[in-house]
Amino acid sequence: EAGVAQSPRYKIIEKRQSVAFWCNPISGHATLYWYQQILGQGPKLLIQFQNNGVVDDSQLPKDRFSAERLKGVDSTLKIQPAKLEDSAVYLCASSFSPTNTGELFFGEGSRLTVL
Amino acid sequence: AQSVTQLDSQVPVFEEAPVELRCNYSSSVSVYLFWYVQYPNQGLQLLLKYLSGSTLVESINGFEAEFNKSQTSFHLRKPSVHISDTAEYFCAVSDGGGTSYGKLTFGQGTILTVHP
Repeated sequence: EAGVAQSPRYKIIEKRQSVAFWCNPISGHATLYWYQQILGQGPKLLIQFQNNGVVDDSQLPKDRFSAERLKGVDSTLKIQPAKLEDSAVYLCASSFSPTNTGELFFGEGSRLTVL
Repeated sequence: AQSVTQLDSQVPVFEEAPVELRCNYSSSVSVYLFWYVQYPNQGLQLLLKYLSGSTLVESINGFEAEFNKSQTSFHLRKPSVHISDTAEYFCAVSDGGGTSYGKLTFGQGTILTVHP
């Protein structure tokens, strides 16, 4: 079974530029999450999708971050314009359903460096 | 609001020695507790979880954790570690139910380094 795929693995941009990250969850997983992991900290939930609808985006900085999950499969997370403090690893995770026994499957992450 | 505190940022240990990684949480409601592990150059993966029932839970590779409600702790233990256990370990909590299982609040992580 293929795992959660993310791209790009690494991205370096200058502040005020834009960047987009892509995630392809495990086939059949209805729930998709984006987490932000800043160096030295644990992951923090940014947004949760159930199929193509947003369940929770309360911690997403909506002035610069946006995310979509068209057709309920792939998802894209965009940052525009980027700030220095956005340097982090962006993790995508999926689960079969939000109430499945609590196991999330994570991708390897996309590491963003903002200069 | 929930929070998770992992009391040690780094734990060095020799191979075959016992280890304990400490995790304390705070929550005003019933919680569900998880340990995730991240091996070098890999994604996070679930190690073990407590949802209900027995407060002692085990993983397939010899780790165990005990949910202690009175002390609000979920410490991870292994009686004898291997080199291959070297990784970063994250404790996480959710208040569960409805759509909340995946809304995990993570601790800061503990880097376990096993030396030969």
